[in-house]
Amino acid sequence: EAQVTQNPRYLITVTGKKLTVTCSQNMNHEYMSWYRQDPGLGLRQIYYSMNVEVTDKGDVPEGYKVSRKEKRNFPLILESPSPNQTSLYFCASSSGGWQPQHFGDGTRLSIL
Amino acid sequence: QKEVEQNSGPLSVPEGAIASLNCTYSDRVSQSFFWYRQYSGKSPELIMSIYSNGDKEDGRFTAQLNKASQYVSLLIRDSQPSDSATYLCALTTGSNYKLTFGKGTLLTVNP
Repeated sequence: EAQVTQNPRYLITVTGKKLTVTCSQNMNHEYMSWYRQDPGLGLRQIYYSMNVEVTDKGDVPEGYKVSRKEKRNFPLILESPSPNQTSLYFCASSSGGWQPQHFGDGTRLSIL
Repeated sequence: QKEVEQNSGPLSVPEGAIASLNCTYSDRVSQSFFWYRQYSGKSPELIMSIYSNGDKEDGRFTAQLNKASQYVSLLIRDSQPSDSATYLCALTTGSNYKLTFGKGTLLTVNP
């Protein structure tokens, strides 16, 4: 089954404790991206990757890191999480930047 | 002007009616246009994609694109209670194909 898999689905953690949210897709997609969704602000892009070893900032990259060492994986790293990063996060992938993106099930992060 | 604007809603229609969702955008060189449906607490699900001017129909859904007016819409015919969700308009712009979303329109279909 074609899918985008995110882990964990839910996480409660504390300020400053490094965490990684994994994202993996099995569709051989070149384009992958991360979004956060907050009430009243909608979906905002954090980082995107057009291919292996090619990543770039989206609208709200501050406080986040990403890497794209393999085509299928695109982890999101919060080196020193803060409460304002409490949000619902989505990973998405597509066969090309102009093609529709397919979303993972989301990760709900709470940072205390 | 915001990059992608949707009618703010919420929109309420009776079962069997046509629901009309609208979206305007500011970047004239936007390339691809999408409508996603999102149920509360779930991930966005692609409903329609449209790339050129005109209408595109898929079952009960019709997307309409007018690049000159910078306008894209989604019509849902014979609306069902299961169509009750937030509908997100999204489009790509620029050489990096940045995907930008509107804030969504909440649709409620009343039985």
